[in-house]
Amino acid sequence: EAQVTQNPRYLITVTGKKLTVTCSQNMNHEYMSWYRQDPGLGLRQIYYSMNVEVTDKGDVPEGYKVSRKEKRNFPLILESPSPNQTSLYFCASRGAGSYNSPLHFGNGTRLTVT
Amino acid sequence: GQNIDQPTEMTATEGAIVQINCTYQTSGFNGLFWYQQHAGEAPTFLSYNVLDGLEEKGRFSSFLSRSKGYSYLLLKELQMKDSASYLCAVRDAFDYKLSFGAGTTVTVRA
Repeated sequence: EAQVTQNPRYLITVTGKKLTVTCSQNMNHEYMSWYRQDPGLGLRQIYYSMNVEVTDKGDVPEGYKVSRKEKRNFPLILESPSPNQTSLYFCASRGAGSYNSPLHFGNGTRLTVT
Repeated sequence: GQNIDQPTEMTATEGAIVQINCTYQTSGFNGLFWYQQHAGEAPTFLSYNVLDGLEEKGRFSSFLSRSKGYSYLLLKELQMKDSASYLCAVRDAFDYKLSFGAGTTVTVRA
């Protein structure tokens, strides 16, 4: 089944404790992206990657890191999480071949930083 | 950049029709997407418009006017399962970045 898989689904952590949210897709998509979703603000892009070893900042990259060593994986790293990073996070991917191809989203990771 | 506006909430009765408007301002337009998102779940793709006019997909239709920076999503024969948030998203012509509106929460009542 074609899908984007994120882990974990729920995560509660404390300020300053490094964490990684994994994202993997099995559709051979070139493009991958991370979003955070907050009430009243909608989905905001954190980082995106056009292909392996190519990553760029989105609208809200501060406090986050990403890597794209393999095509299928695009982990999101919070080196020193803070309470304002409490949010619902989505990973998404799409193929690069078709200009109208939609994003496929993972099931989300609800992060709480205390 | 993009500036995307859509109403926060709408309520309608089962079997009725609801129209969700989306207006946008962009420096370069390369398509508009509508997504459906049930509470706590991932957004799922509904429709795509890049040319002016109406795209119909069963009970759902989406309309685009590029000159007016305007789109709407029309939901017909509403069902209880249509209660969800509907996200309007615009793709930039230069970097293909997809920017989302804050979403419209539709509540369908019996």
